[in-house]
Amino acid sequence: AQTVTQSQPEMSVQEAETVTLSCTYDTSESNYYLFWYKQPPSRQMILVIRQEAYKQQNATENRFSVNFQKAAKSFSLKISDSQLGDTAMYFCAFMKQRTNAGKSTFGDGTTLTVKP
Amino acid sequence: DTAVSQTPKYLVTQMGNDKSIKCEQNLGHDTMYWYKQDSKKFLKIMFSYNNKELIINETVPNRFSPKSPDKAHLNLHINSLELGDSAVYFCASSQAQGYEQYFGPGTRLTVT
Repeated sequence: AQTVTQSQPEMSVQEAETVTLSCTYDTSESNYYLFWYKQPPSRQMILVIRQEAYKQQNATENRFSVNFQKAAKSFSLKISDSQLGDTAMYFCAFMKQRTNAGKSTFGDGTTLTVKP
Repeated sequence: DTAVSQTPKYLVTQMGNDKSIKCEQNLGHDTMYWYKQDSKKFLKIMFSYNNKELIINETVPNRFSPKSPDKAHLNLHINSLELGDSAVYFCASSQAQGYEQYFGPGTRLTVT
């Protein structure tokens, strides 16, 4: 079974600064997908970024980028120029490739607070 | 247009009652899911359906029964509600394996 670990239950950062959220996972699969989701106080789950394990290049989406280290099974999220609207709970998720319905395993989440 | 919708958004009921939560997606996705998020915000998958067929059924009490009348809908029926069922239930859908999931707004269920 896959496990996803987010070792930082809570983090804070000053507005405009950079913060990195950590995520490690355990799997015997070689092909899989990794995701970061954001859940603001509104409760809505929003996809932040997606990474295919077979791609060596780290995914980026505007101010959000990942550091994907396949050998180390690490998938950290870097948020640059943090904004107040980034305040949310962030979930790291793992999905095996060879499944009919793409079951995801989620980490326990990191609550990020951006301070003005 | 809302991509994944759930009704109701809030549900307060007493122990022992039976209730249903409805989910609809207009994205044309083949796969739909139900997740439970508890008071500590832990998110756990409950069920997934692919083209109306049950694919994943995690360790969930059989009081919970999903029903998929067509691939755009996945409803969750809960019998004999218990206090521990209080949580936020999310419906989600995805295009296929490996693709990101789109979540509904969640249904906060409170059992008193």
